[in-house]
Amino acid sequence: AQRVTQPEKLLSVFKGAPVELKCNYSYSGSPELFWYVQYSRQRLQLLLRHISRESIKGFTADLNKGETSFHLKKPFAQEEDSAMYYCALSGLTGGGNKLTFGTGTQLKVEL
Amino acid sequence: DVKVTQSSRYLVKRTGEKVFLECVQDMDHENMFWYRQDPGLGLRLIYFSYDVKMKEKGDIPEGYSVSREKKERFSLILESASTNQTSMYLCASSPTGGNNSPLHFGNGTRLTVT
Repeated sequence: AQRVTQPEKLLSVFKGAPVELKCNYSYSGSPELFWYVQYSRQRLQLLLRHISRESIKGFTADLNKGETSFHLKKPFAQEEDSAMYYCALSGLTGGGNKLTFGTGTQLKVEL
Repeated sequence: DVKVTQSSRYLVKRTGEKVFLECVQDMDHENMFWYRQDPGLGLRLIYFSYDVKMKEKGDIPEGYSVSREKKERFSLILESASTNQTSMYLCASSPTGGNNSPLHFGNGTRLTVT
């Protein structure tokens, strides 16, 4: 079974402060991990995926297999980063990939 | 740009009614998904389909069924709506290509069952 845990429902930080959104996973195979973001009144969209090893909007996430974690980080929070963030794990099942989401963390960046 | 369109943004139905939620994607994606999104519970997978006429149960399939007669369309059916099915329903699609293909989501349908 695959499982994703996001321990924080709400994270509030000041503008310019560092941000870390925590994500831990449980999966028996080789995980493919993602972060999705939902801005106010917008559809859920992909932010980044671990396989790409890229930085999007200043965010990065490193897969730590030893700690089974995929935390999302940004050195300096901006007001426009306020959104709901979901960590997700993709595992193969049957004929297709199944994406399991965490419960989400609401990030609020205060001025 | 991939477009996933859900036919209704808001729906209000009565307990016991049969409800159809429709989803259409325009990028020839093989995989389609239905999730429900609830505060504090995140997104939970109801059903998914990786090919026409194929379906697999997700984590919470009880009370739901699906239909995929054409590749571009994936319908979620509530056979007899109940108040605990009041939720935001999200449809998504993705291409086949291993398990690192990102999902493309629709805008969601907010269903209220009274």
